[in-house]
Parts: sequence; C-alpha cells; structure tokens
Amino acid sequence: GENVEQHPSTLSVQEGDSAVIKCTYSDSASNYFPWYKQELGKRPQLIIDIRSNVGEKKDQRIAVTLNKTAKHFSLHITETQPEDSAVYFCAANAGGTSYGKLTFGQGTILTVHP
Amino acid sequence: DAGVTQSPTHLIKTRGQHVTLRCSPISGHKSVSWYQQVLGQGPQFIFQYYEKEERGRGNFPDRFSARQFPNYSSELNVNALLLGDSALYLCASSLESAADTQYFGPGTRLTVL
Repeated sequence: GENVEQHPSTLSVQEGDSAVIKCTYSDSASNYFPWYKQELGKRPQLIIDIRSNVGEKKDQRIAVTLNKTAKHFSLHITETQPEDSAVYFCAANAGGTSYGKLTFGQGTILTVHP
Repeated sequence: DAGVTQSPTHLIKTRGQHVTLRCSPISGHKSVSWYQQVLGQGPQFIFQYYEKEERGRGNFPDRFSARQFPNYSSELNVNALLLGDSALYLCASSLESAADTQYFGPGTRLTVL
C-alpha cells in the first residue's frame, strides 16, 4: 500500500522567514496530494492541494510543488507569522480503486517565533 | 454554511464496551470517510463509503464497522473496545471520487479506560 514519509518532524523559524516541509510517497498511481494544518484540539483544515497534472500551485503565502518522477512534494510557506504555528500533515490518495483513502505523513510541528 | 458535523464530541467508555459515532457530511456530498488519529500521529484511514456502499477499508480489525444512510450521514461502530482504541475519530466528507477534496469534521475524542 501507499507509504508517505514527511520531514522534518519539527521546524522552528523566526517570524518572516520561510518554512519548507517535504514529503515522499510510494504509490506511483497516486494523483492527489493535499496539505492539512491542524491546531491543537482542532480538526485538520485543508490549506492547499495539488493534482498530478500540475507541477506547482500557489495561494498567497503558501505554495506546493510536485515532482512525480521523484515521487515527492513540498509545502512552502513564505513570510511566516506566529499564527502559522501548528502541525502540518501531507497526504496522498491511493491509486487504483481505493476510493477516498488518504495516507497521511507523520506530521511536522511548525513553531514560528515572534 | 454547514460543515461536517460529528457527535458526540467526547466519549468515555470502558474496555469491552461498544461505541457508535455519528457523522453528517456537507450538504451535497455523497462520500464519507472515517479516520483514527492517535495522539502525535497523522490520521489513519478506516473506511470510505459512497452512495451507501463501502468503497474502501483500512487495516483495522473486524471490531470496526460502519454504514451510510440514505441521507449520506454515517455511523462508525467499534465493538469490544480496547485501551488502544483511545483516539480522535475524524469523519471526512467529499463530493464523490478518490481525488476529491476531503473536509474534516471536528472529531469525536474517545477515551477507553
């Protein structure tokens, strides 16, 4: 089955710096890669996603890049703010007929220091 | 704008009991997926239902079962609870297909004593 590896497990940056989180996946049939932000005690919230027919997608300070050949995708947050502090999860959908199954990475705890 | 709703919010059970968790998807969404999130880990896929049929099952024992109703709401049932079943149970709603965006509910925090 699909395996998603996420690095780093913790990331500490100063306000205004950029943050990059990287994920690799194993299933070459995966074609959908969302990123979720989860604050303590809250639900995972979708912040950006990318599909396999696109190499890069940007939404204000957040961008995601996808390299299908290497099977890795990354989240880039620019001009970080203290409210960006949270746990970030990458995920990949299952290929074939495994509808609706997202496999998540282990998460990255991002801390933005004022 | 009604998002995904789940009930109850919190639940405390003892070993051996059973539990039923409920989820209502976003209006117009026909697919519901269930995930288990243990503290400090990413969500793990349990089931996906679409149009009342099971479309996917994760690596969970048969003590876990689910169903979807004609109004697309869903129930997750867990029998013979173990201490290791303590987790946040998340429901995610999506329109239809495997690549559709999944929106999570607030979750049900289950504690097994």
